[in-house]
Amino acid sequence: QITLKESGPTLVKPTQTLTLTCTFSGFSLSTSGVGVGWIRQPPGKALEWLALIYWNDDKRYSPSLKSRLTITKDTSGNQVVLTMTNTDPVDTATYYCAHGRITTVRGETLYYFDFWGQGTLVTVSS
Amino acid sequence: DIQMTQSPSSLSASVGDRVTITCRASQSISSYLSWYQQKPGKAPKLLIYAASSLQSGVSSRFSGSGSGTDFTLTISSLQPEDFATYYCLQSYSTPLGTFGQGTKLEIK
Repeated sequence: QITLKESGPTLVKPTQTLTLTCTFSGFSLSTSGVGVGWIRQPPGKALEWLALIYWNDDKRYSPSLKSRLTITKDTSGNQVVLTMTNTDPVDTATYYCAHGRITTVRGETLYYFDFWGQGTLVTVSS
Repeated sequence: DIQMTQSPSSLSASVGDRVTITCRASQSISSYLSWYQQKPGKAPKLLIYAASSLQSGVSSRFSGSGSGTDFTLTISSLQPEDFATYYCLQSYSTPLGTFGQGTKLEIK
């Protein structure tokens, strides 16, 4: 059974660095074809894709946030950490981590998020 | 960057109706598209991947189609539990993930 859970501060002051941890079970991030992604959702707004790390440590970032994001994995600890620097009130959102399954369908290799954490609300405010 | 445009942004329908939601990519993304359902206060739930493959455990009244730039999610006969917001996600190229802006499905 795959589960994920996000943890981190609920309140961050503007310009501070936000560090979020995704702790998961039921899979290994050392296994080929596995990834963990971060997605956020400002209150009342749409989902926004942030970052994805693969089993082979390949990392991808949203271009608009790339300079502020870092995603890392602790394989032995079953955790993925997302760091966001220089936070702003517009970064107020529910942050989700999700299990990414990389698979080949009809000859194409793609990924999708099949398990999600419950999300954690982070407020950026002074 | 690839942009994903969903339509409509909101939709009112009745139980038993057949509903179609569209997602259009700004360039071809082959079949690199998945669909998610989100209920208020909850995490999204995967419905469809690879444009048309039904996720295990998801009701067969959900179906997906399309390839290239135009995709649809169809609910064949709306049930009360289907009223939610639906999102598409492209995973073809940079950025390696773009969500549509969502379609809120409400009860008429």
